Amino acid sequence: DAKTTQPPSMDCAEGRAANLPCNHSTISGNEYVYWYRQIHSQGPQYIIHGLKNNETNEMASLIITEDRKSSTLILPHATLRDTAVYYCIVNDRASGTYKYIFGTGTRLKVLA
Amino acid sequence: NAGVTQTPKFQVLKTGQSMTLQCAQDMNHEYMSWYRQDPGMGLRLIHYSVGAGITDQGEVPNGYNVSRSTTEDFPLRLLSAAPSQTSVYFCASSYSGRGKNEQFFGPGTRLTVL
Repeated sequence: DAKTTQPPSMDCAEGRAANLPCNHSTISGNEYVYWYRQIHSQGPQYIIHGLKNNETNEMASLIITEDRKSSTLILPHATLRDTAVYYCIVNDRASGTYKYIFGTGTRLKVLA
Repeated sequence: NAGVTQTPKFQVLKTGQSMTLQCAQDMNHEYMSWYRQDPGMGLRLIHYSVGAGITDQGEVPNGYNVSRSTTEDFPLRLLSAAPSQTSVYFCASSYSGRGKNEQFFGPGTRLTVL
């Protein structure tokens, strides 16, 4: 079973920030939080990851709560091309980044 | 740099037929994995490899075989196809050292078993 819980779908207006939540209440101390997205039926694409500090890159920001039981992916200015399924994954890098357990993700629809 | 490539893109099989899905990467990644994705579902891990000559089972290995004779290639074999194996198959690779350790996914192979 997936170690994360995400809402099945969300809508966001184009140009606004999209905030995608993820619950990972059983996360252990050495597990990272990864976010990927899948546009149409393409292969998933890496977005960002973090351990306990907030992270930002050119695609998104990741906010992890202090107790690490939940996180939020923020797309600051959503565009129509951000319409996709977003997956939140927790993974112990020591055990290998090749063993992801995917849930069903959040289907984000960006509206014009 | 082609990244992760998969062939074929589409395949239709009859029940009982065998075939091999090809996966190759040119990034010198040690780690490679195979996932399947059924409609409306997330990806599920079939088999993975941490280097040439080393493979192991994932969540749903039954009905599939793998081998890893080179760093670049990681083929997935269906020994006797069944309709339950109708799915989209994704291959992925990642670097084992320090760093982002993100997985790079191929474009997928869409398999239908009649």
